[in-house]
Parts: sequence; C-alpha cells; structure tokens
Amino acid sequence: QVQLQESGPGLVKPSETLSLTCTVSGGSISSYYWSWIRQPPGKGLEYIGYISYSGSTNYNPSLERRLTISIDTSKNQFSLKLRSVTAADTAVYYCASGVVPDHWGQGTLVSVSS
Amino acid sequence: ETTLTQSPAFMSATPGDKVNISCKASQDIDDDMNWYQQKPGEAAISIIQGATTLVPGIPPRFSGSGYGTDFTLTINNIESEDAAYYFCLQHDTFPYSFGQGTKVEIK
Repeated sequence: QVQLQESGPGLVKPSETLSLTCTVSGGSISSYYWSWIRQPPGKGLEYIGYISYSGSTNYNPSLERRLTISIDTSKNQFSLKLRSVTAADTAVYYCASGVVPDHWGQGTLVSVSS
Repeated sequence: ETTLTQSPAFMSATPGDKVNISCKASQDIDDDMNWYQQKPGEAAISIIQGATTLVPGIPPRFSGSGYGTDFTLTINNIESEDAAYYFCLQHDTFPYSFGQGTKVEIK
C-alpha cells in the first residue's frame, strides 16, 4: 500500500516561497502520477496540480504563474514550490497519488504570516 | 471551471440510519465523480470511484449513484465508525474541483 508524507516549513513569510516535499513509500514513484491539493482553513479543497513520473505537469490556472511541481525519482519524492505567497495561501497541503487522487498524505498546515 | 455544490454541510445521524449526501455539478461531468472519507488526523481514503464503483475494501453499506450533474453518496445502516468528513471530486474537466464537504456526526 502506497503511503505519502508531506514535509516542509509550517510558517512562511509573505512574498516568500512555500516549499513542500512529499515522500512516497510502499511503491515506486517512477511509474505513476502524483498530485497536490490544498484546503484553506474553513474552506473547501482546491486541486493544485499534478506531475507525471517523467516530469510532465499540469497546473491549476489560478496558481500556474506562481507554481512549480517537480519530481526526484532517486529519492522517491515530489515537491511543490509556490512563489510570492500571501495569507490566502495559508492552508493544509496534501499530496496524493494519481491525477485523480487515490492515496493521500495526512496533510501539513502551512501558515503565511510575518 | 466546474463547480460542485455539496449538501448538507453537517449532519447528525443515529446508528442504523440511512444517510444521503448530495453533490451537484454546474455542468455535465458524465460519471467522473469520486467520493472520499477523511477522519480527523488521518489521510483521506477513496470510497467511491466513477460515481458508482465501490473501492475494494470499503464496506458495502456505502454506495454511490448519479450521472451527469446530480450525484449521491449513500450510507446504509450507518455505524459509529462512519463519523467523518466526506467530500466529492469531479475529474471530468481540469482543474478538477471538490465539493465543500460534509461533516457526519454519529449520535
């Protein structure tokens, strides 16, 4: 059974870059697709984007100009970078397997505040 | 972009009740609807795929129905362990989108 674990800073300053990593265990990252989702406090979930094992990506247009999702098959990890963050980017961030999320991580709260 | 309207936002049920959660899409999404369950502190799990297909390992008291724009997650004979947050996802048009979620409490 694939398991996913998000990691990264829990606090990011406004205008800086939010960086998160998802570590995949129980399966190889090299043969599937991987996605990111977020949920601001008190709000619904938002689909951020996905990456393939070969590195091709598809981003939510609302985040595209600030977003980079990358993959490191040697470490069985994929990552998210969101630039120029504001308080509106405060959310629980989830990583998941599949373009259509299948297995999910537990999520990590990232707060944007000075 | 496809908007999903999920209702109710909260419901309280008694063990043995039948519970229905609705998800309405702003446009036709065929059967490209999944349902998920998330318990506090745990990872979300997939329970229904393709609107009606029960994910292996999920109890048969869970079922999904609907096509096009109207979808329903049904929990028959609800049990205390079913207390959780439930949400729908449409994967017909990108960016995929989620319903606002339903918190189910068991009395």
